[in-house]
Amino acid sequence: GNSVTQMEGPVTLSEEAFLTINCTYTATGYPSLFWYVQYPGEGLQLLLKATKADDKGSNKGFEATYRKETTSFHLEKGSVQVSDSAVYFCALSQGGSTLGRLYFGRGTQLTVWP
Amino acid sequence: DVKVTQSSRYLVKRTGEKVFLECVQDMDHENMFWYRQDPGLGLRLIYFSYDVKMKEKGDIPEGYSVSREKKERFSLILESASTNQTSMYLCASSLRPGRAGELFFGEGSRLTVL
Repeated sequence: GNSVTQMEGPVTLSEEAFLTINCTYTATGYPSLFWYVQYPGEGLQLLLKATKADDKGSNKGFEATYRKETTSFHLEKGSVQVSDSAVYFCALSQGGSTLGRLYFGRGTQLTVWP
Repeated sequence: DVKVTQSSRYLVKRTGEKVFLECVQDMDHENMFWYRQDPGLGLRLIYFSYDVKMKEKGDIPEGYSVSREKKERFSLILESASTNQTSMYLCASSLRPGRAGELFFGEGSRLTVL
């Protein structure tokens, strides 16, 4: 079946620190991979995505590379800001599906202190 | 700008009441989804719909039903609310076919069942 495992939080960092949030997946076929972010009091919004192996998604200084050999899609940012404090969700979409259903990880709470 | 609107941000209901959660999207999307978000459990899919009057069960459909009479509107119904349905409910939509997995979320409806 399809599943996503991401590192448990909470993660607490000082401003300008380096961020890594690990994400691994199990899927049949060739899934697309996503990171969504949820800021306090808001719904989820797409942060970045990658649709095939070795693709790198990037947005707002965040990056993640689709690694088929390790079934991973780790989220990284070189220098976090207080405004990055949010919950981050890794997700996959089953390859070949036209229904767009996503399978989500449990989320990782990130808090950045000034 | 794309918009998914959930009718109520906060609701308080009593055990046994019938509860309606409404979701409207203005993007002419075919797919619509209802997720439930609980701390430590991430997002779990309750129901989804890929067309008017069509519906599919997700991972946790028990105790819920849905209605999609118009393309833009997807309603989640709790026939007889119970305390274990206290949660955050998130509605989302996406194109079909389209960029798989790019969901657009509403801001969520936080339901408390007493």
